[in-house]
Amino acid sequence: EIVMTQSPATLSVSPGERATLSCRASQSVRTNLAWYQQKSGQAPRLLIYGASTRATGIPARFSGSGSGTEFTLTISSLQSEDFAVYYCQQYNNWPPYTFGQGTKLEIK
Amino acid sequence: QVQLVESGGGVVQPGRSLRLSCAASGFTFSGYGMHWVRQAPGKGLEWVAVISYDGSDKYYADSVKGRFTISRDNSQNTLYLQMNSLRDEDTAVYYCAKGAYQLPPWWFDSWGQGTLVTVSS
Repeated sequence: EIVMTQSPATLSVSPGERATLSCRASQSVRTNLAWYQQKSGQAPRLLIYGASTRATGIPARFSGSGSGTEFTLTISSLQSEDFAVYYCQQYNNWPPYTFGQGTKLEIK
Repeated sequence: QVQLVESGGGVVQPGRSLRLSCAASGFTFSGYGMHWVRQAPGKGLEWVAVISYDGSDKYYADSVKGRFTISRDNSQNTLYLQMNSLRDEDTAVYYCAKGAYQLPPWWFDSWGQGTLVTVSS
């Protein structure tokens, strides 16, 4: 089973600043990695797939990068609606599909 | 647009059974793999099971293998999760999620709002 590890667990950033979230896989997942956003009390929403392709309707301030075992989600200028929990997920080696434990992005 | 609506959650005693449903609309249901993903209270996301577009292939997380069964009725655009021998640790919000394509590999491009299952005596 591939273990996904996200860091940091909590990230405090001011609105308008850049946020950088990390995700590491225990073995290579190539670019078969997705990012999801989950706001409190809501279902997750797909942000990025293929490590760097934005899903339909996702603003350009969200970008993904990386391949192999190291991945990054960058939010270039944080808006109030971006404060949420973010999960990475690998779909290269399955079953099982595995998620990271999440990074909570909070207002500084 | 894609809509996934789960139902069937509730409070159930340990060892009992429950069946969840997910009604799909807004896309050609029979053309996509479908998943169940769960989230225990205050915890992260855990993939539970997947079924292929035609129901011929099914895979499960080790934590539910032998107890849960995923199925689908393409004529009714509905996904199911039969949960038997429920345990306290199965308490979670259960989401159905649509696979991105007919064939794997899959990410989850649409999610339902979830249904809460509470296992408690």
